[in-house]
Amino acid sequence: DSGVTQTPKHLITATGQRVTLRCSPRSGDLSVYWYQQSLDQGLQFLIQYYNGEERAKGNILERFSAQQFPDLHSELNLSSLELGDSALYFCASSVGGTSQETQYFGPGTRLLVL
Amino acid sequence: ELKVEQNPLFLSMQEGKNYTIYCNYSTTSDRLYWYRQDPGKSLESLFVLLSNGAVKQEGRLMASLDTKARLSTLHITAAVHDLSATYFCAVAGGSNYKLTFGKGTLLTVNP
Repeated sequence: DSGVTQTPKHLITATGQRVTLRCSPRSGDLSVYWYQQSLDQGLQFLIQYYNGEERAKGNILERFSAQQFPDLHSELNLSSLELGDSALYFCASSVGGTSQETQYFGPGTRLLVL
Repeated sequence: ELKVEQNPLFLSMQEGKNYTIYCNYSTTSDRLYWYRQDPGKSLESLFVLLSNGAVKQEGRLMASLDTKARLSTLHITAAVHDLSATYFCAVAGGSNYKLTFGKGTLLTVNP
């Protein structure tokens, strides 16, 4: 158990809908990262927040957005969902957001878009 | 754009044998990570390699980094069934915090 929690574990929804994935980092960690894992694209970095501020952006679609709240939990919002958005979404956290730290991964949210 | 290539992508081993997984990356980096993922589970951090020549060992796994060759290896010694999993290497490029992952190596250790 990494100490990173994610809810929900599973999510089934329909195309065109909007969902919110939630992540609570390890105690004391200020940085949160979001990744998408799919069979065709592999593991891809989406976005990183550090202490409430966006720090780095990866291959995140415009339909997706994220934020980190004052209590440091983070939410990833996915809208206008398409079949291809079906994937495992991981949140990871690290202490201070320096590039040399280990990122600890949560259990993931499995999203299925029908 | 940073590219990370792992090989092999599939590895079937007998218990007790040794093997090496290779991770090549395309641009300069001195930060490389190895993760393990069991089916349907999250990623577990195995090693963080931060400098040229770094070598780390944990049990039957040993990882090394050659930044000049842009190559990391994960060596498995005397494999056991419990090591069956998918192993990912991930590289951080420059001062960017994002990790670029390889496609993963699915390791199956057979009795």
